[in-house]
Amino acid sequence: DAGVIQSPRHEVTEMGQEVTLRCKPISGHDYLFWYRQTMMRGLELLIYFNNNVPIDDSGMPEDRFSAKMPNASFSTLKIQPSEPRDSAVYFCASSFGATGGNTIYFGEGSWLTVV
Amino acid sequence: DQQVKQNSPSLSVQEGRISILNCDYTNSMFDYFLWYKKYPAEGPTFLISISSIKDKNEDGRFTVFLNKSAKHLSLHIVPSQPGDSAVYFCAARSGTGYSTLTFGKGTMLLVSP
Repeated sequence: DAGVIQSPRHEVTEMGQEVTLRCKPISGHDYLFWYRQTMMRGLELLIYFNNNVPIDDSGMPEDRFSAKMPNASFSTLKIQPSEPRDSAVYFCASSFGATGGNTIYFGEGSWLTVV
Repeated sequence: DQQVKQNSPSLSVQEGRISILNCDYTNSMFDYFLWYKKYPAEGPTFLISISSIKDKNEDGRFTVFLNKSAKHLSLHIVPSQPGDSAVYFCAARSGTGYSTLTFGKGTMLLVSP
């Protein structure tokens, strides 16, 4: 089975532009997560969905960030307008079930550079 | 406030020796702990985990130790191999219902031949 698939792998954009990151979770997984990795803060959870419904978006840094999951096989993370401090690696991850010890599977990440 | 802390940003070890990566946590509600490994340009991958009802879990060359009273866990790699060079993230989750993983900032391990 294919793992979590993210696109684009690399994105360089100018400040003020809209950025859309895309994710296809592992088939059958009912939880989807968006994480951001930076040197200063490590891996931060931005938002997660359960059965396509956003459960906790308290990690979303500000209103410029939004995430959607229109169906079980697709999610987007949008930044509008983008700023240089948004430069980071954005990971999408998915998992199955709510039992203790469930493993989260990560995609390869989207490297965003805002200049 | 970091609930999961990895205080060593990096660690260098010679091939064949033991690598010990440390992790401290502050949330006493955490009851399950995981280690993830991340190579450059790849996503983190699950390595090993431990439940709070145990104090040790072993999988091949990898062993995780948990000291609940000290709120401390460690990952031991014996013997270390150059292919183990990666960033290692400690993660924790709390018990009731579903909860997300809280990650540390990671420790970069370099194993030299």
